Amino acid sequence: DVKVTQSSRYLVKRTGEKVFLECVQDMDHENMFWYRQDPGLGLRLIYFSYDVKMKEKGDIPEGYSVSREKKERFSLILESASTNQTSMYLCASSSQGQRVLRSNTDTQYFGPGTRLTVL
Amino acid sequence: AQSVTQPDIHITVSEGASLELRCNYSYGATPYLFWYVQSPGQGLQLLLKYFSGDTLVQGIKGFEAEFKRSQSSFNLRKPSVHWSDAAEYFCAVAFTGGGNKLTFGTGTQLKVEL
Repeated sequence: DVKVTQSSRYLVKRTGEKVFLECVQDMDHENMFWYRQDPGLGLRLIYFSYDVKMKEKGDIPEGYSVSREKKERFSLILESASTNQTSMYLCASSSQGQRVLRSNTDTQYFGPGTRLTVL
Repeated sequence: AQSVTQPDIHITVSEGASLELRCNYSYGATPYLFWYVQSPGQGLQLLLKYFSGDTLVQGIKGFEAEFKRSQSSFNLRKPSVHWSDAAEYFCAVAFTGGGNKLTFGTGTQLKVEL
């Protein structure tokens, strides 16, 4: 079974702090994703990565950055946390490094989420 | 722009009753379609997916979904709901050329009355 783990289930930070959220997958997946989930808004894509040291902006990248130094690890960074970044953050991974969905194996597998509160 | 709509924010059903959760998408070509479930405090678990072929798709936990091209819909169904099905359900769509990205609906919260 695919396993996606996130470093913390709950995190409380203060405004202006630098925050790191870590995600690790154990299935040698090329693709990794960071979403935030808010009530009534569903999941929104922040950043994603198709390969090591590669990143692309999603739909709401403002205020965030990412790092992918190793294939299995994808980090989300809040350079200066703000209260409007209080949310549930979900990491996901999927196989295939290709940009176009071509087969039925490109399911995204999700981690348990990190609930971040910024005070 | 492509979009996914789940028109029902909350649905309440009695245990043993049938269930249908609605999902509509806006896109010019055939998308790839997914249903995920999220139990309280948990991540998302894939229920089923449609890529091509038979438009009626079977998933885990007794769920099924039917792709209807003419209605741009991919509704999720279960003939008899169990109390453990209470959760939030998300429809998601991947579009050809979208680079393996998923677009999610806003979710439907299912409550099951005993």
